[in-house]
Amino acid sequence: QVHLVESGGGVVQPGRSLRLSCAASGFTFSGSGMHWVRQAPGKGLEWVALIYSGGGNQFYADSVKGRFTISRDNSNNMLFLQMNSLRADDTAVYYCARGPIGFADYWGQGTLVTVSS
Amino acid sequence: SYELTQPPSVSVSPGQTASIPCSGDNLGDKYGNWYQQKPGQSPVLVIYEDAKRPSGIPERFSGSNSGNTATLTISGTQPMDEGDYYCQVWDSNTVVFGGGTKLTVL
Repeated sequence: QVHLVESGGGVVQPGRSLRLSCAASGFTFSGSGMHWVRQAPGKGLEWVALIYSGGGNQFYADSVKGRFTISRDNSNNMLFLQMNSLRADDTAVYYCARGPIGFADYWGQGTLVTVSS
Repeated sequence: SYELTQPPSVSVSPGQTASIPCSGDNLGDKYGNWYQQKPGQSPVLVIYEDAKRPSGIPERFSGSNSGNTATLTISGTQPMDEGDYYCQVWDSNTVVFGGGTKLTVL
């Protein structure tokens, strides 16, 4: 079955960087688009980024454009999110999710990122 | 940017029908998707492309989308259906979520 496991979260100071990873299994990773979605404590879902199956197309929410980069390694079934210039309002649980482009059909358990001095 | 609006909360008695609306400009021209999230858990897709149910989602979950409103309907609502529900669309190369609706079964 589809299995997505995020890692890399933690506490980081404002302005610093962090790289999240998502290990995928149970499906043809190289044939699937992938999303990152986040959820601030007590708040709703906020889409962050999408990468197409081949990695050649990426799309971002305005709130992270220019600071975050989504990438993937299809050889090792891995998804990444490089987060630079982190701010307090980036504090959230970050989920990776498998997409058909228009929606997300399987989600990981999430990894918590806390931006605080 | 595109916006989706949901009521913050909906209440329903066990066994009754719950309807959760989601509104947006010409929403009926896009595919509406719905997610359920229970406390402490990851979201689960319950309806995609307006009215399709993923494998494993009970038949009591259904969806519709027309005009400016998409609706998630839960027939014969059970206590286990309590949680937060989010509508979502794909618009202009971005994923847009509604603010979420807390469903209470009491």
